[in-house]
Amino acid sequence: TQLLEQSPQFLSIQEGENLTVYCNSSSVFSSLQWYRQEPGEGPVLLVTVVTGGEVKKLKRLTFQFGDARKDSSLHITAAQPGDTGLYLCAGLSNSGYALNFGKGTSLLVTP
Amino acid sequence: DVKVTQSSRYLVKRTGEKVFLECVQDMDHENMFWYRQDPGLGLRLIYFSYDVKMKEKGDIPEGYSVSREKKERFSLILESASTNQTSMYLCASSSTPGLAGGSLADTQYFGPGTRLTVL
Repeated sequence: TQLLEQSPQFLSIQEGENLTVYCNSSSVFSSLQWYRQEPGEGPVLLVTVVTGGEVKKLKRLTFQFGDARKDSSLHITAAQPGDTGLYLCAGLSNSGYALNFGKGTSLLVTP
Repeated sequence: DVKVTQSSRYLVKRTGEKVFLECVQDMDHENMFWYRQDPGLGLRLIYFSYDVKMKEKGDIPEGYSVSREKKERFSLILESASTNQTSMYLCASSSTPGLAGGSLADTQYFGPGTRLTVL
């Protein structure tokens, strides 16, 4: 199993602050995905990064794929309470069908 | 709007009972998955299916079995429930990556989860 390590595990910040979440592996991935899971719901895909060095923006969220395609980061600018949730990174497993997930970063943004 | 539904949001069962968790998707997806999610352990793959009547073991298949008789439905079966199977169970589906993206992960669409408690 190709392991994905996420850090930090927990993050509690005030509204308006910036933050970065990391996803690291010793394995090379053809692509990495980021999902967000809100309490009581299943994860929902935010983005897929494919090319080494790629940067994708989704409003206040910026996703980067490392040059070597072993790591990724998620940066949130001016966090809002609506950003609260569990952020999961995932990469395609050796099966070619299933995903390996990191353990997630639980983010709490308070007003 | 794409949809993955799970038969129950909450379920309480007794040790030794046979438990069925049902998942239905309306997107005509080839692939379906069952995960369990536990605090500190993340999402772990139990079983997946890439076609009707086909199944593959994931990382933690022990104590579970699955059934996929129709394309839209994927069932998870706990033959004899135990307390260590108390968990959140998540079903997901995806389509097979296209010819150009054979090594790329396709979007997985998740159901809302079933929180199972085994007493």
